[in-house]
Amino acid sequence: DAGVIQSPRHEVTEMGQEVTLRCKPISGHDYLFWYRQTMMRGLELLIYFNNNVPIDDSGMPEDRFSAKMPNASFSTLKIQPSEPRDSAVYFCASSETGAGTEAFFGQGTRLTVV
Amino acid sequence: GQSLEQPSEVTAVEGAIVQINCTYQTSGFYGLSWYQQHDGGAPTFLSYNALDGLEETGRFSSFLSRSDSYGYLLLQELQMKDSASYFCAVHNTGKLIFGQGTTLQVKP
Repeated sequence: DAGVIQSPRHEVTEMGQEVTLRCKPISGHDYLFWYRQTMMRGLELLIYFNNNVPIDDSGMPEDRFSAKMPNASFSTLKIQPSEPRDSAVYFCASSETGAGTEAFFGQGTRLTVV
Repeated sequence: GQSLEQPSEVTAVEGAIVQINCTYQTSGFYGLSWYQQHDGGAPTFLSYNALDGLEETGRFSSFLSRSDSYGYLLLQELQMKDSASYFCAVHNTGKLIFGQGTTLQVKP
């Protein structure tokens, strides 16, 4: 397996624009996580899915953020409208089961909102 | 809620041993993991402890005390390539919650 694949790797957008980040988890993994990493806040869990169902979205900062997982091999994180404070590295990770298993991270999407 | 505390920075010399501590507060605790992240890279898994005691994997060892809500990562025979950030992470039901990370600088 190629690992967790995220796209794009880099995204620069203007404030107010819609941004969509994409993730393909490792085949057979039941759990998918979206994280945001900044110097100030570290690695924050935004939302996670189990078998394509969102389980906990308490980390999603506000209604401008939404995430979907239409099938087992694809997930999106959307920000609409984007703001400069959304600038961060966004990681997607997947794991076979939940607690106790290794999470495999994608290479991340570096988002810059100007 | 959950909270994890670990030192922000540690410096050591090549060949030395360094210990990175992590204390946590959480409900529904399943276990503690450690991840390594090099600059510009993604976090990668190092170890997982579900039970009290020491787990050894090569030069790296990880320890957990559930009664003390405490764990540590021990790195032996430090190499320059070990310069990175190290994160402890608690497994809470299905979630994986990360600490703020410890930046390890290894000097020659």
